[in-house]
Amino acid sequence: QVQLVQSGAEVKKPGASVKVSCKASGYTFSSNYMHWVRQAPGQGLEWMGRINPSGAGTSYAQKFQGRVTMTRDTSTSTLYMELSSLRSEDTAVYYCARDSGRWAFDIWGQGTMVTVSS
Amino acid sequence: QSALTQPASVSGSPGQSITISCTGTSSDVGGYNHVSWYQQHPGKAPKFMIYDVSNRPSGVSNRFSGSKSGNTASLTISGLQAEDEADYYCSSYTSSITWVFGGGTKLTVL
Repeated sequence: QVQLVQSGAEVKKPGASVKVSCKASGYTFSSNYMHWVRQAPGQGLEWMGRINPSGAGTSYAQKFQGRVTMTRDTSTSTLYMELSSLRSEDTAVYYCARDSGRWAFDIWGQGTMVTVSS
Repeated sequence: QSALTQPASVSGSPGQSITISCTGTSSDVGGYNHVSWYQQHPGKAPKFMIYDVSNRPSGVSNRFSGSKSGNTASLTISGLQAEDEADYYCSSYTSSITWVFGGGTKLTVL
């Protein structure tokens, strides 16, 4: 079945970087754009950006420009999201989500908790 | 890009219908028929419920329906059931080639 499996929880200090992975299976990896969405504790969903697994083109939310990098490895059907210069406000669950092809997100990873604390 | 506006909470009794609104601008909700809705139970990933304003993905109950008028989209749940109790989020594609979510609505089934 189609699924996205993300890497495990991370604890980072302020100023550090974190790299979260998302392994896709059950469909043709290059056929769908992929997005990253985060959710701070008790808060709503926030779109961070998307990547084209086929050509690696990216589009980021203005808020994260300069701090986020989305990449992919087609040989392992894995996506990566790296966020740098971490601050406490970046503490959140980070989700990868597949684009349905209709401007929506149809398959979601299980989420990766990133905690930023000194 | 500001978040779309949703009511913080709504409630209803089993069997009743409720509607959740999602208000944006002409640059997102009003400008495109690319509004989607997601259901999220505590501690779980969001679930895809509605796309392109009113279309249901395969496997989603027909008790869930969507609509849009101007800059406001709506999700209606009819025949409320206990398992519908969850947080609901709307999302819209925007003119900046980005996506924006609503702040979320907590549905309580009384």
